[in-house]
Amino acid sequence: QKEVEQNSGPLSVPEGAIASLNCTYSDRGSQSFFWYRQYSGKSPELIMSIYSNGDKEDGRFTAQLNKASQYVSLLIRDSQPSDSATYLCAVIPPGNAGNMLTFGGGTRLMVKP
Amino acid sequence: NAGVTQTPKFQVLKTGQSMTLQCAQDMNHNSMYWYRQDPGMGLRLIYYSASEGTTDKGEVPNGYNVSRLNKREFSLRLESAAPSQTSVYFCASSEIGTGVETQYFGPGTRLLVL
Repeated sequence: QKEVEQNSGPLSVPEGAIASLNCTYSDRGSQSFFWYRQYSGKSPELIMSIYSNGDKEDGRFTAQLNKASQYVSLLIRDSQPSDSATYLCAVIPPGNAGNMLTFGGGTRLMVKP
Repeated sequence: NAGVTQTPKFQVLKTGQSMTLQCAQDMNHNSMYWYRQDPGMGLRLIYYSASEGTTDKGEVPNGYNVSRLNKREFSLRLESAAPSQTSVYFCASSEIGTGVETQYFGPGTRLLVL
């Protein structure tokens, strides 16, 4: 079983809609969770981090964490064509002294004008 | 402030050739990482260095070696390249132990092994 799972997509949403991206992880003791955005041909860039159960909002982005169900999600409100990218979920598993990230395979998001 | 830089940007190798990928960061971070990214696979950790003078294997270390030259620089060496090593390689750095665990990525090196 892959440690971090994401639907590869593509997820297609119309401009202005809410895009919902989901991620599940297998290691129950994980404490730190991240969403990276990667445009085609570019490097990943961090857009959200979340450490506690519940919601964390930053502009049009909301990260949601449910440790009991072992999932983390990213909501993008008022989606724009510029949000079209691959979104990578990453987790720091427990007992990880080196701050190593385990990544999911990514979900490709397409926002259509 | 350039962040994380990588050289070269592109490289074509023949099977059996060797090469070194260079990475440098100017953010005074202690930790540095090398990842490879293959289609649909996300990023997989090859090696990391938690601090200057230490290196450890990640998920996919076979066929690679690393050197943490100093706090700024972390290189990745392919001793005898194989077609299975065709990939995009990313270097990253971060500061741990401060509660800020963001990893910053370089622009990547695209490697094709024929």
